[in-house]
Amino acid sequence: SQKIEQNSEALNIQEGKTATLTCNYTNYSPAYLQWYRQDPGRGPVFLLLIRENEKEKRKERLKVTFDTTLKQSLFHITASQPADSATYLCALVRTSGTYKYIFGTGTRLKVLA
Amino acid sequence: DTEVTQTPKHLVMGMTNKKSLKCEQHMGHRAMYWYKQKAKKPPELMFVYSYEKLSINESVPSRFSPECPNSSLLNLHLHALQPEDSALYLCASSQVGQGFAEKLFFGSGTQLSVL
Repeated sequence: SQKIEQNSEALNIQEGKTATLTCNYTNYSPAYLQWYRQDPGRGPVFLLLIRENEKEKRKERLKVTFDTTLKQSLFHITASQPADSATYLCALVRTSGTYKYIFGTGTRLKVLA
Repeated sequence: DTEVTQTPKHLVMGMTNKKSLKCEQHMGHRAMYWYKQKAKKPPELMFVYSYEKLSINESVPSRFSPECPNSSLLNLHLHALQPEDSALYLCASSQVGQGFAEKLFFGSGTQLSVL
């Protein structure tokens, strides 16, 4: 069965540092991978999408990489701020038939002031 | 309008009750989704509707009954639930993927407690 794991359940970092979150998957070859942010009591909010033929994608302080050989995506937040504290979820998208979005286990990031 | 609106925000029900969760969007999205999320766990896919037709049912128990009466509305009818069904129920919508994985827009969810 499909398995999507994110490296740590919780990650604490100091303000101003770069946060690096990992998403590993098995038994699957997604064409796309997305990253979402979820705040407590709210639904996830889309951040970035990367295609299987793209190595890297950037948006402001966010950077995503996608290595289909390692079956891994890395999500970086540079110059982190306390407002970046949230749970971050990766989602693999199956594109055969109806598109199916499967979420990873999530990482709770806390940026300490 | 880029919002997905879910009602009610909170729901407490007994195991013999019948209730419904509602979801509405006006972004013209033709794909709509129900997810279930337990505390500190990722969202788990339950159902997907594409062009108002059920296209994915992730082996969800029949006590959960989805309905998509039109392109803007999605309902989840609940009957004879168990306490382990207590969770945050999230609705999402997206453009229908046509060779591209569209982003999901989520509502804030309905926090359901089954007593």
